[in-house]
Amino acid sequence: DARVTQTPRHKVTEMGQEVTMRCQPILGHNTVFWYRQTMMQGLELLAYFRNRAPLDDSGMPKDRFSAEMPDATLATLKIQPSEPRDSAVYFCASGRDPGQVVSPLHFGNGTRLTVT
Amino acid sequence: QKEVEQDPGPLSVPEGAIVSLNCTYSNSAFQYFMWYRQYSRKGPELLMYTYSSGNKEDGRFTAQVDKSSKYISLFIRDSQPSDSATYLCAMSAGPGRRALTFGSGTRLQVQP
Repeated sequence: DARVTQTPRHKVTEMGQEVTMRCQPILGHNTVFWYRQTMMQGLELLAYFRNRAPLDDSGMPKDRFSAEMPDATLATLKIQPSEPRDSAVYFCASGRDPGQVVSPLHFGNGTRLTVT
Repeated sequence: QKEVEQDPGPLSVPEGAIVSLNCTYSNSAFQYFMWYRQYSRKGPELLMYTYSSGNKEDGRFTAQVDKSSKYISLFIRDSQPSDSATYLCAMSAGPGRRALTFGSGTRLQVQP
């Protein structure tokens, strides 16, 4: 079974430190999404790429968050500087978007971030 | 008010019961509807996918969409302890539109 791979699985860091989360989408998928999940807000979309181009990052705090796709096999989400309110589980998901229909997303198992 | 509303639960049922999970939504443009299951400390996994109104059945699972009422349901027959998880509904207006919009999830516990 092809899977979305996220690293690290867990990250504990101090406030003010830079955090980088990585995602390897499923081979052949051309859309990549970053979601953040908290008990209070549920799943919130942070950023969305199609064919490596950013299409929507309106959910992302621009002053501290950045998302990139250096190549088709790697997506990164960076937080600099991190704050305690960033503590959450960050999910990457990928999909195959042929343009005619909406394809379901396949999720990784997330990066659990704790900022102290 | 959120675009997609879902009762957070928890919903506790005995093994073998029929479970009904529901979501309501406000955006009449939504046409694609999905249900995801999420086990503890795992990512959501796709359970059911439907387009527009109607029913879809897959084993013990049935998804229903009523666009006129802006209401979708997931039914689980003969529920098992292994069905204990959080169930999230997700919706989209169509290809090229913004990514899936998720409900907050309903936590289901099936008691043996």
